[in-house]
Amino acid sequence: QKEVEQNSGPLSVPEGAIASLNCTYSDRGSQSFFWYRQYSGKSPELIMSIYSNGDKEDGRFTAQLNKASQYVSLLIRDSQPSDSATYLCAVNLKAAGNKLTFGGGTRVLVKP
Amino acid sequence: DTAVSQTPKYLVTQMGNDKSIKCEQNLGHDTMYWYKQDSKKFLKIMFSYNNKELIINETVPNRFSPKSPDKAHLNLHINSLELGDSAVYFCASSQVLAGGPSQETQYFGPGTRLLVL
Repeated sequence: QKEVEQNSGPLSVPEGAIASLNCTYSDRGSQSFFWYRQYSGKSPELIMSIYSNGDKEDGRFTAQLNKASQYVSLLIRDSQPSDSATYLCAVNLKAAGNKLTFGGGTRVLVKP
Repeated sequence: DTAVSQTPKYLVTQMGNDKSIKCEQNLGHDTMYWYKQDSKKFLKIMFSYNNKELIINETVPNRFSPKSPDKAHLNLHINSLELGDSAVYFCASSQVLAGGPSQETQYFGPGTRLLVL
């Protein structure tokens, strides 16, 4: 089992719809979770960080964390073509000595 | 103003050559990292330094040698380049927050695209 797993996609959503991305992780003791967005040919940029169970909202983005089930998700509301990118889930795995471990990313395509 | 910068942006070289990539951050962060992103887009940490001290040293060939002359700079030297070294190399930096190292947000540089022929 990979330490951080994501569906590679592509996840195709119509403009204005909600895009739902999921990420599972292996280390139950993990404490910090991050979503990065990476446009093609560009560097990752942080969208959200979440440390506690529940939801965290920032604009059109909502991160959801469930430590008991070891998953973290990202919802993108009112999806725009500019949201088309690869979304990387990153987990600070306690077992790995507080090292940030990335999933393989989910490619999102928002169609006008 | 660029927060984390890398040079060069592109690097095309022959197998067996030695090359260096430089990274600088002007964010005043204490910790810097090198990541490798392969053709399948997996982003994997290679090294991290905190205040010039090596903290993380993943299982990478010892042909890769990081050097941190000061906390604002972290360079990566690669000896005897191989075809499999072709990838995008990202530098990143972070600052320890009140919540401890686990809550650090990492800021990435623009990447160096290395192609070994």
